[in-house]
Amino acid sequence: KAGVTQTPRYLIKTRGQQVTLSCSPISGHRSVSWYQQTPGQGLQFLFEYFSETQRNKGNFPGRFSGRQFSNSRSEMNVSTLELGDSALYLCASSLTGAGNQPQHFGDGTRLSIL
Amino acid sequence: AQSVAQPEDQVNVAEGNPLTVKCTYSVSGNPYLFWYVQYPNRGLQFLLKYITGDNLVKGSYGFEAEFNKSQTSFHLKKPSALVSDSALYFCAVRDVNRGSTLGRLYFGRGTQLTVWP
Repeated sequence: KAGVTQTPRYLIKTRGQQVTLSCSPISGHRSVSWYQQTPGQGLQFLFEYFSETQRNKGNFPGRFSGRQFSNSRSEMNVSTLELGDSALYLCASSLTGAGNQPQHFGDGTRLSIL
Repeated sequence: AQSVAQPEDQVNVAEGNPLTVKCTYSVSGNPYLFWYVQYPNRGLQFLLKYITGDNLVKGSYGFEAEFNKSQTSFHLKKPSALVSDSALYFCAVRDVNRGSTLGRLYFGRGTQLTVWP
């Protein structure tokens, strides 16, 4: 079974631009979560989607948004990029997001802002 | 509020020796606990979880973890370390009594494990 696939693996953008990251979950998984990983802040939760609905959201500004499609694939968008948005963005999927289910992570998209 | 603490930024151990990576947590209800490992330029890989039952849980690659409710700890252990175990280890928790946090994991800051030959 294929794992979680994130594209692209690397992105370089400049301040003020916007970016869209893509995540394809494991087949059959309907819950998709996004995390931001930085050396200073560690792993921070962005949001979680289930059945095309945002079910949970972390403490990030409105510039960070996401969506989920009917096939459970998810995208996240960051508008008006800032230098501090440079990070590894990780997507994770699970069957339903229930508490006893481990999340399975992709290898991430490394976003660099110049 | 939920939180996870990994008190050691780094753990160094010789190959063949036992290793322990420490984790303590704080939740308002009952915890679901997880350990993940991250290799350079990769995502997180699930190692093991504690949901309920035996306090000692076994996971992938020979790792195990001991849940201690009174000490609110969930330390990761391995009897004999390998050089290939060198990686970044994360402890994570969910508070099962807070339905609004479904799908959300709270992570520790990570512990860099180095196993030297």
